Amino acid sequence: DTAVSQTPKYLVTQMGNDKSIKCEQNLGHDTMYWYKQDSKKFLKIMFSYNNKELIINETVPNRFSPKSPDKAHLNLHINSLELGDSAVYFCASSQDGGSGNTIYFGEGSWLTVV
Amino acid sequence: TQLLEQSPQFLSIQEGENLTVYCNSSSVFSSLQWYRQEPGEGPVLLVTVVTGGEVKKLKRLTFQFGDARKDSSLHITAAQTGDTGLYLCAGGPSNSGYALNFGKGTSLLVTP
Repeated sequence: DTAVSQTPKYLVTQMGNDKSIKCEQNLGHDTMYWYKQDSKKFLKIMFSYNNKELIINETVPNRFSPKSPDKAHLNLHINSLELGDSAVYFCASSQDGGSGNTIYFGEGSWLTVV
Repeated sequence: TQLLEQSPQFLSIQEGENLTVYCNSSSVFSSLQWYRQEPGEGPVLLVTVVTGGEVKKLKRLTFQFGDARKDSSLHITAAQTGDTGLYLCAGGPSNSGYALNFGKGTSLLVTP
């Protein structure tokens, strides 16, 4: 069983389109995250949710909107896609937001905007 | 945002060699983690260090947390091709939770 699963794994789309990436964790964790990894492999936090509530929202354009219908799911919707949005997006979860907790990552969603 | 600087950024060595990767910050961290990421996959936790001066060993990998909890190192003895990957350090802020800040990573290539 995959602990953190995200779909789709690959996504190629045109500028201006709207797309969503879905994420589910079956670990019973309270906290979920979205990270963005750019072409230089830099992994940067975008959002963090704890029990369906938004905890952290880094300096991310408001074209990105996370939605957490329950604590096992955290989806990412992106409006009006731009070339600079091309990256790998990782969903992740941890037991809670406590420092030192293991963060479990999904396999990533490769987004290419053309 | 508390920045973590990793060095070197790239490292290419032959099997059997030893290497050390560094993770430095001007901030104090309550804990620091090391992850390894292989191509096409998400990062996977290797170790968490929480006490200043702490040393942890994972087979041929030795992790050390600095006394002041601002830096850490990862030493690999007798590297193997299976050690190839991106090594990321991540630090938790000192006054609250969330190990959110990742370094930019060290990309290691071990050749036969």
